[in-house]
Amino acid sequence: NAGVMQNPRHLVRRRGQEARLRCSPMKGHSHVYWYRQLPEEGLKFMVYLQKENIIDESGMPKERFSAEFPKEGPSILRIQQVVRGDSAAYFCASSPLAAPTNTGELFFGEGSRLTVL
Amino acid sequence: AQTVTQSQPEMSVQEAETVTLSCTYDTSENNYYLFWYKQPPSRQMILVIRQEAYKQQNATENRFSVNFQKAAKSFSLKISDSQLGDTAMYFCAFMKRPPTYNNDMRFGAGTRLTVKP
Repeated sequence: NAGVMQNPRHLVRRRGQEARLRCSPMKGHSHVYWYRQLPEEGLKFMVYLQKENIIDESGMPKERFSAEFPKEGPSILRIQQVVRGDSAAYFCASSPLAAPTNTGELFFGEGSRLTVL
Repeated sequence: AQTVTQSQPEMSVQEAETVTLSCTYDTSENNYYLFWYKQPPSRQMILVIRQEAYKQQNATENRFSVNFQKAAKSFSLKISDSQLGDTAMYFCAFMKRPPTYNNDMRFGAGTRLTVKP
């Protein structure tokens, strides 16, 4: 039973390029969350998605960042025109159906580390 | 808004001894979950222990236990018989409980624990 799969594990981009991070949730999970972790800091919520819907994007920067979770395929976090400040670890998490069956636990992937040169 | 505070950036403990990591949080909610996650050097986020706020009994998982003080909004983690493999960053996290939640898990800044041989 594969866990949450993220790729790539490491991504290097030059300023101005685009970064695409992928996340496949655990089997049977229809809720996906993206978090960003800056060095020596905790995880900061970015966006919460269900299939084909963005439920909460209150943590997403208003510009250059977007996320999707299509009907088929992985969830994608896209960062356009990257800047050095985007360098961070980006974690994806998934959970099964929402209330009343949800126990509250999120299952995390191993993260994708983005380095912007 | 919910905030989670971990006031100990770093801690160390001798192998086989006991250590307590502190966490306080601020919320106006009555129903919520609290979590401790462990992030070893591999960066994988691993759930250590979970507490539901409506349960008065403190959660326990083998060598890990919590001291949950709801009125004081305190949620400390006690690690007994510390092992070298416990060396990691530890994050305290908060999530509203269904039905008034959106799966937005809020994390503290983390405590770096080092277990010394």
